[in-house]
Amino acid sequence: DTEVTQTPKHLVMGMTNKKSLKCEQHMGHRAMYWYKQKAKKPPELMFVYSYEKLSINESVPSRFSPECPNSSLLNLHLHALQPEDSALYLCASSQERFTNEQFFGPGTRLTVL
Amino acid sequence: AQSVTQLDSQVPVFEEAPVELRCNYSSSVSVYLFWYVQYPNQGLQLLLKYLSGSTLVKGINGFEAEFNKSQTSFHLRKPSVHISDTAEYFCAAVTGTASKLTFGTGTRLQVTL
Repeated sequence: DTEVTQTPKHLVMGMTNKKSLKCEQHMGHRAMYWYKQKAKKPPELMFVYSYEKLSINESVPSRFSPECPNSSLLNLHLHALQPEDSALYLCASSQERFTNEQFFGPGTRLTVL
Repeated sequence: AQSVTQLDSQVPVFEEAPVELRCNYSSSVSVYLFWYVQYPNQGLQLLLKYLSGSTLVKGINGFEAEFNKSQTSFHLRKPSVHISDTAEYFCAAVTGTASKLTFGTGTRLQVTL
């Protein structure tokens, strides 16, 4: 299984809602990543987990809260988002942090009203 | 600081013609290089990677790239493109010092009949 899955595919939420994005991989990878991608732009790194510990937080606002319950799962909890947070959120995983290829999921298209 | 430059934001090409997408990186240390493709409303798929060894790297879908250390380039080529190659292409790099995947701004390949 060489796939990274993400749910939901699409999410529409209001600014007062709380929602979560989910990412799963069963490749035995020990590094997992969250990226944010705006239209016609490259992905921007948000968080990196290595061996289930948060190793990089790219100064992301606290309304985004990552969680890594186990080595296969990565969540992104969303609360009190702003319309400018609307974007494609991509999850990725790699065998080890950064030195190997990253496998990307299909993304969650988030719209904040 | 490490950076990746894709000078061409758009490359229009006719079907069955050859194409080259340019990528330059800035790094004085060892570097790992990647090309990713993103089809509309999808995640990123790895086309090919250079970690070490042979400077000519072959990837999926008939693409290849050449690592040129003296020119700090990693251009992507395909001898004959197909309509289905229409997508956004991202060059990315990881260096030992930065330990972070840095993306170029992307090149939109538009293949027409």
